[in-house]
Amino acid sequence: GAVVSQHPSRVICKSGTSVKIECRSLDFQATTMFWYRQFPKKSLMLMATSNEGSKATYEQGVEKDKFLINHASLTLSTLTVTSAHPEDSSFYICSARVLAGDSDTQYFGPGTRLTVL
Amino acid sequence: LAKTTQPISMDSYEGQEVNITCSHNNIATNDYITWYQQFPSQGPRFIIQGYKTKVTNEVASLFIPADRKSSTLSLPRVSLSDTAVYYCLVGGFRDDKIIFGKGTRLHILP
Repeated sequence: GAVVSQHPSRVICKSGTSVKIECRSLDFQATTMFWYRQFPKKSLMLMATSNEGSKATYEQGVEKDKFLINHASLTLSTLTVTSAHPEDSSFYICSARVLAGDSDTQYFGPGTRLTVL
Repeated sequence: LAKTTQPISMDSYEGQEVNITCSHNNIATNDYITWYQQFPSQGPRFIIQGYKTKVTNEVASLFIPADRKSSTLSLPRVSLSDTAVYYCLVGGFRDDKIIFGKGTRLHILP
């Protein structure tokens, strides 16, 4: 299947700093990428849909000014957690959509563990 | 988006066949059914996708009855490494997004 990478895999930062997470589709172009967050023992929660060249669409309850998403190219989307606080500590996962013939599938990155002290 | 219901958890033994059933009573005509596997601290991994009848690949089979209100993921001869959370997702072809349910926590015992 298609390969999606994320960088960094884990990050620890101080409260009040900003953290950028990169999501790349390595062997395909993705016009649409998604960002999720996941708390321990919980399911993935969709945060936003990122479309190349346009503004991201945020889910209800997700602050667009806090979670900045940029999808400047067909292989890269970035999520910036601005002024991070301990409650933002979570596992952040991106996915890229692949449309091929009759199939419509999302392929996920390995995730980024964010810990805010 | 169709809501899905799966068992919260299941236990099985190495070498057994495991079947996980997912209910999706309000599935729409253009909805596909996709299953993902997730290990702790990793992103979900695509397992299989289908629309109707049976689909088989190298790791699993997906059975979908004619009314499509449920689906069953079948894992042949499981091993300890199949211990993971399995998510059933239902979404329309070219839908804008996928919503994850709670998933099934599968625990394989030696």
